[in-house]
Amino acid sequence: EVQLLESGGGLVQPGGSLRLSCAASGFTFSTSDMSWVRQGPGKGLEWISAISASSGNTHYADSVKGRFTISRDISKSTLYLQMNSLRAEDTAVYYCAKGWRIGGYWGQGTLVAVSS
Amino acid sequence: DIVMTQTPLSLSVTPGQPASISCKSSQSPLDSDGKTYLYWYLQKPGQTPQLLIYEVSSRFSGVPDRFSGSGSGTDFTLKISRVEAEDVGVYYCMQGIHPLTFGGGTKVEIK
Repeated sequence: EVQLLESGGGLVQPGGSLRLSCAASGFTFSTSDMSWVRQGPGKGLEWISAISASSGNTHYADSVKGRFTISRDISKSTLYLQMNSLRAEDTAVYYCAKGWRIGGYWGQGTLVAVSS
Repeated sequence: DIVMTQTPLSLSVTPGQPASISCKSSQSPLDSDGKTYLYWYLQKPGQTPQLLIYEVSSRFSGVPDRFSGSGSGTDFTLKISRVEAEDVGVYYCMQGIHPLTFGGGTKVEIK
């Protein structure tokens, strides 16, 4: 069974940093592309980043480009999202998902709140 | 970026009746491999989004056959043949050409 478990969310001040993790199991992580999607409070879904299986190819939404970095550790079957220069508008539930185009497997999400 | 526009914004349906949601894209989500990457998700209240339909018309594993997707080019439709109480939530279309983009969502409630 595919399982994705996010962690690392919390309250952070504007301008601060946070690293999210997504522990994957139930599938071959090393050959799977992965993505991050977020959802602001009461808002719709926003794709923010994707990484290929080889880590050789990454994509970012314009809203996070230059501030967020997606990466992966094959040995730990873990996906990461390093978030720097956080803004109030980054407040959201962050989901990791399996696939280059997201697809059918999502984690339960971790809440990031950016506020002073 | 491809802009996804969903209509209606909300829908109130009597159980057992059909429902239809439209999704229009500013450009076709047709990739160089010949596949059209148009997806439909349902986010039930308080839950993670769940995939219903991928590549326009293929149902994801475990999705009831009362859900169907159709369309081509820039016009797509999700149909529920007979709405059930468990179908309430917000429906999103998404196109799969990077950068990926979602529609604004259609809230479905039961009368």
